[in-house]
Amino acid sequence: GESVGLHLPTLSVQEGDNSIINCAYSNSASDYFIWYKQESGKGPQFIIDIRSNMDKRQGQRVTVLLNKTVKHLSLQIAATQPGDSAVYFCAEWVSGTYKYIFGTGTRLKVLA
Amino acid sequence: DAGVIQSPRHEVTEMGQEVTLRCKPISGHNSLFWYRQTMMRGLELLIYFNNNVPIDDSGMPEDRFSAKMPNASFSTLKIQPSEPRDSAVYFCASTPGTGLSAFFGQGTRLTVV
Repeated sequence: GESVGLHLPTLSVQEGDNSIINCAYSNSASDYFIWYKQESGKGPQFIIDIRSNMDKRQGQRVTVLLNKTVKHLSLQIAATQPGDSAVYFCAEWVSGTYKYIFGTGTRLKVLA
Repeated sequence: DAGVIQSPRHEVTEMGQEVTLRCKPISGHNSLFWYRQTMMRGLELLIYFNNNVPIDDSGMPEDRFSAKMPNASFSTLKIQPSEPRDSAVYFCASTPGTGLSAFFGQGTRLTVV
């Protein structure tokens, strides 16, 4: 059986604090990015997206920041709640292709 | 909208048996993906369909795996014969087009003993 798995970085945050989850993407030609949330036993759930012609996009309690110069994406969650505990994935899409490239994910733990 | 629907949610089968996983994409979506998720490899793309046509199956591990999309509202992923190393969670996702967000089903957890 498998004895070694992907090591997911873990971010532990106190309830009520803000969370920042980071992602480095691989392809400078990527022009569309998505953040997904995956709770235990469930499929990845769309949170927010951003296109490369933007550097910031806000949703309800979430903000995505894109820095194309250093190929970096971040997800900010305001006033983190216990229900935010999950694994968060970033995904990039390269124009002219059909493939979404997923990061390995970050586990967010919200401490009461 | 019911979202992407997968069945079964859980499947336990013996090595050597045939397994068929099913997916109903979101109505109106013309692209469908099958992914496999394991602790070892994370999310892996197995196959991509566009307008019911398989475009890229290079992620399919071997000939034991096959996928079909007979119409816009149904796809299957078949493993024959199944092996213990096929144990994983299999996700189906659909999107209205390339460059648009992909929506995932709840997955099928497959255990091959």
